[in-house]
Amino acid sequence: QVQLVQSGAEVKKPGASVKVSCKSSGYTFTKFGITWVRQAPGHALEWMGWIDPYNVNTNYAQKFQGRVTMTTETSTRTAYMELRSLTSDDTAVYYCARDDGGYVSSFDYWGQGTLVTVS
Amino acid sequence: DIQMTQSPSSLSLSVGDRVTITCRASQDIRTFLNWYQQKTGEAPKLLIYSASSLQSGVPSRFSGGGSGTDFTLTISSLQPEDFATYYCQQSYSTLRTFGQGTKLEV
Repeated sequence: QVQLVQSGAEVKKPGASVKVSCKSSGYTFTKFGITWVRQAPGHALEWMGWIDPYNVNTNYAQKFQGRVTMTTETSTRTAYMELRSLTSDDTAVYYCARDDGGYVSSFDYWGQGTLVTVS
Repeated sequence: DIQMTQSPSSLSLSVGDRVTITCRASQDIRTFLNWYQQKTGEAPKLLIYSASSLQSGVPSRFSGGGSGTDFTLTISSLQPEDFATYYCQQSYSTLRTFGQGTKLEV
């Protein structure tokens, strides 16, 4: 079965960087994109960006341009999201999700979430 | 970016109620619209894709409709496990966006 397993919670100081991992199983890794979504406490879901593991094309939300980098490691079927220059506003749960790549793409499987606290 | 606006932001309901949530896009997105359910402390779950297609395993009491700029999610008879927050999300633009959520409360 399809699974996305994320790395554990992180505590970072303002100005630092964080790198969250998302290890996939149960499907062909290079056939589906990976999307990253975050959710600040008590707030809505916020789309951060997307990466295609096949050709490592990326697409980032304008809000995060220049501060986020999404990568993949095909050999370990793992996607990564690195966010730099952290502030308290970046305190959130970060999710990875599989983009099903359909005509109307949707996020059909999700990781369990990684809490990043900036303090 | 395409803005997605949901209404209402919250609803107080009872088991057995019929409920309709609305999502409006800031421009025509045809049927490039998905719905997710999120329970407290859990990751979101895909319910509806392409505006009206039910994701595998999702109960038939959930249905979606609409096209263009106006969309709906309907739950025909609320069950205790349906009290959660629901989000719409557009896939028309490569820059995806979510609505602000609608929380269903007892």
